[in-house]
Amino acid sequence: DQQVKQNSPSLSVQEGRISILNCDYTNSMFDYFLWYKKYPAEGPTFLISISSIKDKNEDGRFTVFLNKSAKHLSLHIVPSQPGDSAVYFCAMSSNYKLTFGKGTLLTVNP
Amino acid sequence: DTAVSQTPKYLVTQMGNDKSIKCEQNLGHDTMYWYKQDSKKFLKIMFSYNNKELIINETVPNRFSPKSPDKAHLNLHINSLELGDSAVYFCASSPAGASGSSYEQYFGPGTRLTVT
Repeated sequence: DQQVKQNSPSLSVQEGRISILNCDYTNSMFDYFLWYKKYPAEGPTFLISISSIKDKNEDGRFTVFLNKSAKHLSLHIVPSQPGDSAVYFCAMSSNYKLTFGKGTLLTVNP
Repeated sequence: DTAVSQTPKYLVTQMGNDKSIKCEQNLGHDTMYWYKQDSKKFLKIMFSYNNKELIINETVPNRFSPKSPDKAHLNLHINSLELGDSAVYFCASSPAGASGSSYEQYFGPGTRLTVT
């Protein structure tokens, strides 16, 4: 029973363009939403987050959008850079627990 | 200056053996976690400790036993290892206290366990 789904296993974009990563969830009890970035052989690194009471949070090139009615979370990266190439996980918090999606491999081509 | 460290990074062992993975964080966080990333790449929580007290214990075989000697350390001991235990195990910590949700968690580099 996957509560958090990242339906795109991979995404390829050109340098300078926008990258849009998506995540859908089913559990209405999630109250905080996060994106993590992971390079090979390293642990996930926190990127950006958003509270359930907001619908947008921006940090530099990264913007997270939350649509609670659609139970949909997205991450926009603009402009995309080759160094952004990594696996991106969405994660959702309820009490002390984070529930992760399966990840999307983003490749940014020079 | 490593924030969350794990040892060893790689662990290859035979079925039936007992092994431990160590985790230490120097962030001053109250809460620590163990996650398992299986072959399907899902990161799933196994355990969480807050100030040395177990607060999350997911459906994990009792061959897995976490031990927290102090709030900066959370070790994972696995008895009678099985082939299905092969995975990458991540330790994490967060500043979450006794109330409220866990927000940003900081992960260690992972320990790749291979059971043969």
